[in-house]
Amino acid sequence: AQSVAQPEDQVNVAEGNPLTVKCTYSVSGNPYLFWYVQYPNRGLQFLLKYITGDNLVKGSYGFEAEFNKSQTSFHLKKPSALVSDSALYFCAVIGPRNDYKLSFGAGTTVTVRA
Amino acid sequence: GAGVSQSPRYKVAKRGQDVALRCDPISGHVSLFWYQQALGQGPEFLTYFQNEAQLDKSGLPSDRFFAERPEGSVSTLKIQRTQQEDSAVYLCASSRPGTPEQYFGPGTRLTVT
Repeated sequence: AQSVAQPEDQVNVAEGNPLTVKCTYSVSGNPYLFWYVQYPNRGLQFLLKYITGDNLVKGSYGFEAEFNKSQTSFHLKKPSALVSDSALYFCAVIGPRNDYKLSFGAGTTVTVRA
Repeated sequence: GAGVSQSPRYKVAKRGQDVALRCDPISGHVSLFWYQQALGQGPEFLTYFQNEAQLDKSGLPSDRFFAERPEGSVSTLKIQRTQQEDSAVYLCASSRPGTPEQYFGPGTRLTVT
């Protein structure tokens, strides 16, 4: 079975400071990993993915994520957070045997204060 | 181009009523997915279509849930005899051939009273 854990329910940072949202995964074989963001009353918006290759992947809106196979982690990062980054962030995984079924974490609420 | 659209955006049903939720995927996306998102949780997989074929319905919680995509484009998720525990946001997603990322619609928030 595949699963994702997001250990922090909430992350609070000041605008301009670095933002990190943590994610660890459990899957047999090589995973496909994703980050999505959800704004109130809106659907999930795709930010970035890791499939293979360079462990550091860059995505939309200045976000990036680092795949660490030994720690089974895929933390989302942004060097300088904006107030508009305040939203709900989900990490998700597709395992090699279920190459379409996304399994999501419970989500992390990010609040960026001005 | 247009994204995934869903209708209605909000639905209130009395317990025992049947509901139908519609999803229009992005043009050209052959794969279509339905997820259920309970309050405060991540989305949970319900079912998957490739064109008109329903290849996986393992996530449907009961036989009251039924999904179809008869012409390989628009999909409908039907819930019969709704129960309070069916209250959730129902998300539809689609993806292009050969790419794993899924693009989500805004969801339908179903409230069963």
